[in-house]
Amino acid sequence: AQSVTQLGSHVSVSEGALVLLRCNYSSSVPPYLFWYVQYPNQGLQLLLKYTSAATLVKGINGFEAEFKKSETSFHLTKPSAHMSDAAEYFCAVSDHSNTGKLIFGQGTTLQVKP
Amino acid sequence: NAGVTQTPKFQVLKTGQSMTLQCAQDMNHEYMSWYRQDPGMGLRLIHYSVGAGITDQGEVPNGYNVSRSTTEDFPLRLLSAAPSQTSVYFCASSYSGVSRRNGYTFGSGTRLTVV
Repeated sequence: AQSVTQLGSHVSVSEGALVLLRCNYSSSVPPYLFWYVQYPNQGLQLLLKYTSAATLVKGINGFEAEFKKSETSFHLTKPSAHMSDAAEYFCAVSDHSNTGKLIFGQGTTLQVKP
Repeated sequence: NAGVTQTPKFQVLKTGQSMTLQCAQDMNHEYMSWYRQDPGMGLRLIHYSVGAGITDQGEVPNGYNVSRSTTEDFPLRLLSAAPSQTSVYFCASSYSGVSRRNGYTFGSGTRLTVV
């Protein structure tokens, strides 16, 4: 069975500092991996996705993530945090099969301090 | 294209009442699913469907029913609402198999309160 673990339910950074949100996955088959962002009182927006092409994936708003098979990780980073990045971030995993489900981590709330 | 449309956006129910949350997509996606979002628990899969006439249970199916009579629609029914079902509900859809690399599209959510 697939699963996702996000380390740290809350992360606080200063504006301009590096953002690092951690995600580890478990999957018995090559996975598809996704990061979603949710701003307050809104739905989920896709930030980026890994689909077995390049291991370093670039997304919207300056975010990127690196797929590391040996570490079963897909951590999300941004070199310089902006106040507008404050939101909840979800890592999710799926597989290639027709019955593949999208399984989410518990979420990480990012706080950006001025 | 409208994408994934959920109705209603907000709903208050009394304990024991039933209701149906509507979800419709216009992207000809085979796969549709329902999630509930609760603080500190992420999004948990309630039910999903891989095509018309085919549904299956997710992680937290108790108290909910689904059906998939058409490709476009995937309604979620609460049979007898309980306060524990107070949550935000999201519908999502995608292509199946390897085409799922294009990602999942989410609706804007239904905020349900059971009193």
